[in-house]
Amino acid sequence: GENVEQHPSTLSVQEGDSAVIKCTYSDSASNYFPWYKQELGKGPQLIIDIRSNVGEKKDQRIAVTLNKTAKHFSLHITETQPEDSAVYFCAPGGGFGNEKLTFGTGTRLTIIP
Amino acid sequence: DTGVSQNPRHKITKRGQNVTFRCDPISEHNRLYWYRQTLGQGPEFLTYFQNEAQLEKSRLLSDRFSAERPKGSFSTLEIQRTEQGDSAMYLCASSLNRNTGELFFGEGSRLTVL
Repeated sequence: GENVEQHPSTLSVQEGDSAVIKCTYSDSASNYFPWYKQELGKGPQLIIDIRSNVGEKKDQRIAVTLNKTAKHFSLHITETQPEDSAVYFCAPGGGFGNEKLTFGTGTRLTIIP
Repeated sequence: DTGVSQNPRHKITKRGQNVTFRCDPISEHNRLYWYRQTLGQGPEFLTYFQNEAQLEKSRLLSDRFSAERPKGSFSTLEIQRTEQGDSAMYLCASSLNRNTGELFFGEGSRLTVL
């Protein structure tokens, strides 16, 4: 099965600074690489995703970069705001015979006003 | 509200009792997933359906757990003879039937086993 690791497990940044979270995975067949945000008392919500034929994708303040050779992908949040405080999960998956996503252990991001 | 709906939101039960959770997915979504999440951890895959067919079940899933999706719409997750270790948030998600893509999660059903 897929082994997924996220680093760091907690991250505190000053409002306006950037945050980067890294995810490493083991299954070379994975071809879909999403990031989810989970706020207290809610289910995870997709914030950005990338497929294996693309190296980088950006959506306003959020970007994801993929290094498929090294089997890692990263979430980048620029100009952080207090509402970015949440737990973030990577969840690689996809590929032949693997329709599920395997979630990492999460990164608790705190934005300091 | 056209999102994924889960009921009940909270369930407290005594050890040894059976519990059942229900999930109503987004109406046009063919795939339905169950995940379990414990405090401080990421969601852990339990099982998934495409329409009414259960296509994959986690090898870690005890025989006390069973899930159904009888008409390819709503799904139920039953836990028999609950144990304290079953205490967790049970999350349901649905997605469109295409290449692996976005999962839409409900707000979860929190189980506490005393």
